[in-house]
Amino acid sequence: GAVVSQHPSRVICKSGTSVKIECRSLDFQATTMFWYRQFPKQSLMLMATSNEGSKATYEQGVEKDKFLINHASLTLSTLTVTSAHPEDSSFYICSALTGYDQPQHFGDGTRLSIL
Amino acid sequence: GEDVEQSLFLSVREGDSSVINCTYTDSSSTYLYWYKQEPGAGLQLLTYIFSNMDMKQDQRLTVLLNKKDKHLSLRIADTQTGDSAIYFCAESMDRDDKIIFGKGTRLHILP
Repeated sequence: GAVVSQHPSRVICKSGTSVKIECRSLDFQATTMFWYRQFPKQSLMLMATSNEGSKATYEQGVEKDKFLINHASLTLSTLTVTSAHPEDSSFYICSALTGYDQPQHFGDGTRLSIL
Repeated sequence: GEDVEQSLFLSVREGDSSVINCTYTDSSSTYLYWYKQEPGAGLQLLTYIFSNMDMKQDQRLTVLLNKKDKHLSLRIADTQTGDSAIYFCAESMDRDDKIIFGKGTRLHILP
C-alpha cells in the first residue's frame, strides 16, 4: 500500500488563489521530504528539500516566497503555491525517506490547474 | 553538471522484450533507479540498483549497470499491454539526496 499520501490529487482554481498541498508519511517518520514539479511531457525537477523543524532548501530558480514549504511535524510537509498563476499549472509530487536503506517513495502527486 | 539521458520513445510488440537504455554523467551516483509513470498517475518505483552492482533481476525486470560507461538499462521480459507507460531513469548520490531524473521513455506496446 501507499506509504506516502498526498492531498489533494487534483486542484482547479482561479488565478491569484493560494493553494496548499499536503504530503504525509504513513506509519513512519520522515525528517526529510522532497518536493518535485513536472510540467507536461517533461521530467521531474526538484523544487526544494523540506526538513522537519528547519527552513526548506530551495533549488536554484525556485522562488521561496512563491512556494512556501512548512515541515512542522515528522509526518507532514506542506507546499503552498501563493497567488498562483496559469504558469504554475503543473504536477507537484512529493517524496519521503521510508526507512533504513530504502530509497525515497513518492506520493501520487497533485495536478494543479490555474485558470 | 548532473545529467541523465534516455531515448524518448520505444515501440515493442506484445510478448517481446523491451530494453530501455539510459546514460548518466555523475560518477559519484550511488543509487540508480527505474520509475514507472502511467497516464495521469504518480511515480511507481520499479527497481533500483546500487552502483557497486552489475545486475539485478526481479521477476520480469532485469537491470544492467555498466559503471565504466555510466550506462543503465531496464529489460522487461514478455512485455504486456499493462507495461505501456513512461519509464524514468534516475540517479542520486545517496538515498537521502535529491533524485535527478531523465526525461522519460514512453513505451508503446504494439498488438
